[in-house]
Amino acid sequence: SYVLTQPPSVSVAPGQTARITCGGHNIGSKSVHWYQQKPGQAPVLVVYDDTDRPSGIPERLSGSKSGNTATLTISRVEAGDEADYYCQLWDSSGDEVFVFGTGTKVTVL
Amino acid sequence: QVQLVESGGVLVKPGGSLRLSCEASGFTFSDYYMSWIRQAPGKGLEWVSTITSNSGYTDYADSVKGRFTISRDNAKNSLYLQMNSLRAEDTAVYYCAREMATVTRPFNSWGQGTLVTVSS
Repeated sequence: SYVLTQPPSVSVAPGQTARITCGGHNIGSKSVHWYQQKPGQAPVLVVYDDTDRPSGIPERLSGSKSGNTATLTISRVEAGDEADYYCQLWDSSGDEVFVFGTGTKVTVL
Repeated sequence: QVQLVESGGVLVKPGGSLRLSCEASGFTFSDYYMSWIRQAPGKGLEWVSTITSNSGYTDYADSVKGRFTISRDNAKNSLYLQMNSLRAEDTAVYYCAREMATVTRPFNSWGQGTLVTVSS
């Protein structure tokens, strides 16, 4: 089955930039989505189709992709960005399943 | 605005059954594919099942195939998950989620979740 690998944790000081990676086989040919989940809350879609932001998501959150790695970048990090972040894609080949990454805990120092 | 409200989560014994419900409002429910996604305590997200807008197609994760059944009633704006032969590893918060109407199918709206605990 398809696997998306993320670092378990990322720590960043306020005002700095956090980068969360998501690796998977042939991810360059697939569309990656990103979710933010704060403690006790449901996930929220923050980036879809690699780089697009839903309405209401600040420009400080941005997505990119290069080779077999997708990246969510949080610029000018704020205390409110502390959360778990998950990448996700729909694997339309093979079993046609939805796959979530392993998740990354972002800690604001 | 879009609202999804899950219900039905309780404590159930291994081998038992349960039906979860998700009531939708704020959008034309019959236009959208819907999914169930779960999260075990302290763990990551796991997709469980999906159903197309007219119930013509359903799909399941291997971990629940043959035990869970997804369904919907568009007249009632409701999504369901029938869960049979429950196991301890099914313990999780279960979210219903709406898929964006695009070919890449991100989940752009989520409910607050309902907790299912499987324990003797």
